[in-house]
Amino acid sequence: DIQMTQSPSSLSASVGDRVTITCRASQNITNYLVWYQQKPGKAPKLLIYAASSLQSGVPSRFSGSGSVTAFTLTISSLQPEDFATYSCQQSYRTPYTFGRGTKVEIK
Amino acid sequence: QLQLQESGPGLVKPSETLSLTCTVSGGSISSTTYYWAWIRQPPGKQLEWIGSVYYSGSTYYNPSLKSRVTISVDTSKNQFSLKLSSTPAADTAVYFCARLHSNTWYFDNWGQGTLVTVSS
Repeated sequence: DIQMTQSPSSLSASVGDRVTITCRASQNITNYLVWYQQKPGKAPKLLIYAASSLQSGVPSRFSGSGSVTAFTLTISSLQPEDFATYSCQQSYRTPYTFGRGTKVEIK
Repeated sequence: QLQLQESGPGLVKPSETLSLTCTVSGGSISSTTYYWAWIRQPPGKQLEWIGSVYYSGSTYYNPSLKSRVTISVDTSKNQFSLKLSSTPAADTAVYFCARLHSNTWYFDNWGQGTLVTVSS
């Protein structure tokens, strides 16, 4: 299975901060990388697919980059509604696997 | 607007079979663009893909669960289902159904999730 490693596991930030989350794959997944946002007690919400394609309806402050094994999710200016857990997923091959998540908390 | 809704027992006894159904509304499960998937999340842990089914009945399972999993589709009811047999306590999780886009394989619509506890 392809292992997905996220860092950090948690971070504290303030409204307006620029936040960057990293996801690394254990092997080359080209650009088959997906980012989700999940709030407590809710289902994950799709943010970005194909490493950098923004899902319709997702604010433009979210962006994704990277390829091969190293990827980043950036929130350009953190908003109150962005405090949540962010997870990456490789969609290169089955079994699809997810990272352990990065919890973004209020500073 | 597409909606997915999981249904089924919230409590299963160890060694018994966990059965859930996902009802799709606002769209056809027979679309050629999508697969339909089950994903679970144990309390405080990461998401785990269980398996996926196409409207034709073709299935793909996580090898770690393959011996115990059956996913099926009923196009007449716009539903798909999960059966997980011989459940240990470690199968306790929130179970989500989701739509899987067949282009770059991302889950673009999710049900709200249902907690299934495996306990006697």
